[in-house]
Amino acid sequence: AQSVSQHNHHVILSEAASLELGCNYSYGGTVNLFWYVQYPGQHLQLLLKYFSGDPLVKGIKGFEAEFIKSKFSFNLRKPSVQWSDTAEYFCAVNPYNTDKLIFGTGTRLQVFP
Amino acid sequence: DTEVTQTPKHLVMGMTNKKSLKCEQHMGHRAMYWYKQKAKKPPELMFVYSYEKLSINESVPSRFSPECPNSSLLNLHLHALQPEDSALYLCASSPAAGGNQPQHFGDGTRLSIL
Repeated sequence: AQSVSQHNHHVILSEAASLELGCNYSYGGTVNLFWYVQYPGQHLQLLLKYFSGDPLVKGIKGFEAEFIKSKFSFNLRKPSVQWSDTAEYFCAVNPYNTDKLIFGTGTRLQVFP
Repeated sequence: DTEVTQTPKHLVMGMTNKKSLKCEQHMGHRAMYWYKQKAKKPPELMFVYSYEKLSINESVPSRFSPECPNSSLLNLHLHALQPEDSALYLCASSPAAGGNQPQHFGDGTRLSIL
């Protein structure tokens, strides 16, 4: 079965620290990849997406992610986090040419000033 | 603010009630989705409508009945729900069917079953 794993369930950082959140998926075919963020009390918002091309993609608010096909990974990074980055982060996989979006279990990020 | 509007924001109902959740988007998107999200869990896909036709039903119990009256509107009719159905119900839309497009999410309806 297709699945998405996020190994970091809860991450606590101080402001200005660097961030890397892991995401691995199990699916042998072509996929589209997404990171969504859910700020407290708000709706899910798209951070960034990968469809094809350059495996290093840049998103909003200084986030970037790298697709490594051989490792089935799509890790999210930010060089310097801010208190306002406190949120739940979801990796999601869309098997190509399907309507399905499979979410990972999510990572709760807390950033302290 | 999200461009996908869900009403109501909160709903409390008894197990014998019949109620409906509503979702609306005016972005011209042709694919619409219902998800269920339990506390501290990821969203789980329930239904997909593509060009106003049901294309995916993820083995959802029949007490949940989706309806897509037109390309802008998606309803979820609820009847005889169970306490374990209490959750946040999310609607989403995307420009086209067949995946390959980001989905835009609404704020959700928080449903409590007494």
